[in-house]
Amino acid sequence: AQSVSQHNHHVILSEAASLELGCNYSYGGTVNLFWYVQYPGQHLQLLLKYFSGDPLVKGIKGFEAEFIKSKFSFNLRKPSVQWSDTAEYFCAVNARGYSTLTFGKGTMLLVSP
Amino acid sequence: DAGVIQSPRHEVTEMGQEVTLRCKPISGHNSLFWYRQTMMRGLELLIYFNNNVPIDDSGMPEDRFSAKMPNASFSTLKIQPSEPRDSAVYFCASSRRTQRGEQYFGPGTRLTVT
Repeated sequence: AQSVSQHNHHVILSEAASLELGCNYSYGGTVNLFWYVQYPGQHLQLLLKYFSGDPLVKGIKGFEAEFIKSKFSFNLRKPSVQWSDTAEYFCAVNARGYSTLTFGKGTMLLVSP
Repeated sequence: DAGVIQSPRHEVTEMGQEVTLRCKPISGHNSLFWYRQTMMRGLELLIYFNNNVPIDDSGMPEDRFSAKMPNASFSTLKIQPSEPRDSAVYFCASSRRTQRGEQYFGPGTRLTVT
């Protein structure tokens, strides 16, 4: 079975600071990778996804993530965060050929203005 | 596209009462998932359906929980009898089987059992 580990439970940044949220997964086979975002009081929304090809993927709102296969990692980055990025971020993995997603515990990001 | 629709958005009930949560997936999606989100345990998959058939219900916590999908456009999650520890946000999500794991989530039902 696959598992997902997110390194930080809470991150506090000032506006314009750079962001990197860590995500590692464990699974021996081929995977699809996702980052979802949950703004306060809202449902999960897809931020970006990786299926194959270029390991650097770009998502909405200036977010990007890099898949490093050798490290089983899929870290999320943003060069300059905004107050509106305050949300909880979830990394998720899907094993190829299966329907389900395995989610990490989430990282709560608080951006102070 | 209306997205995944869930009802009710909020439910407050007393311990011992039956609770029914409802979900309408995105039209054309043939996989449906029920999740529970709590502070302690994060996001947990309870059960999922492919083409209206339950595939894996190993995440359902107890026999008090049951889920049905009578047709492609409707699913229910029932808790009978409810307990305070069932208080959580319950999300429904749907996807196409060809979408390689990409799921679309509904707004959730916040359940409070007193």
